[in-house]
Amino acid sequence: EAQVTQNPRYLITVTGKKLTVTCSQNMNHEYMSWYRQDPGLGLRQIYYSMNVEVTDKGDVPEGYKVSRKEKRNFPLILESPSPNQTSLYFCASSLIGGLSTDTQYFGPGTRLTVL
Amino acid sequence: AQSVTQLDSQVPVFEEAPVELRCNYSSSVSVYLFWYVQYPNQGLQLLLKYLSGSTLVKGINGFEAEFNKSQTSFHLRKPSVHISDTAEYFCAVSEMDSSYKLIFGSGTRLLVRP
Repeated sequence: EAQVTQNPRYLITVTGKKLTVTCSQNMNHEYMSWYRQDPGLGLRQIYYSMNVEVTDKGDVPEGYKVSRKEKRNFPLILESPSPNQTSLYFCASSLIGGLSTDTQYFGPGTRLTVL
Repeated sequence: AQSVTQLDSQVPVFEEAPVELRCNYSSSVSVYLFWYVQYPNQGLQLLLKYLSGSTLVKGINGFEAEFNKSQTSFHLRKPSVHISDTAEYFCAVSEMDSSYKLIFGSGTRLLVRP
């Protein structure tokens, strides 16, 4: 089954404790992206990747890191989480970066709480 | 800079009634437009998208949207809703010269009552 998976689905942590949220897709997509969803703000893009070893900042990259060493994986790293990073995070992928022909496929989400 | 406005944060409606979810955008260039749906505890799914051509776009589950360039709007409609349509709906826009960047509206929660 074609899908985007995220782990963990739920995470409660404390301020300053490094964490990684994994994202994997099995559709051989080149483009991957991370969003955070906050009430009243919709989804905001954190980082995206056009292909392996190619990443770029979205609208809200502060406090996050990403890497794209393999095509299928795009982990989101919080080196020193803070309470304002409490949010619902979504990973998405599409065949290429051109949205005129592609649909973005979203993972199920990771609900992160930073105490 | 582009932006998307969904004026209604929540729209309650009775089952089998028609519904319209409003979306307005702002951009200095031509855009692509999208509607996504998020069912409870799930990720987003694409409902429909406007790329070019006919301004009336039909999507899945009986939804349709009309692109109005003069009013910079892309309202979503369904003539008769079902309980199962209860979800959050997001409008999104992408500028044609940077199609990898998707800007979302704040979402509209559609609540269908029996």
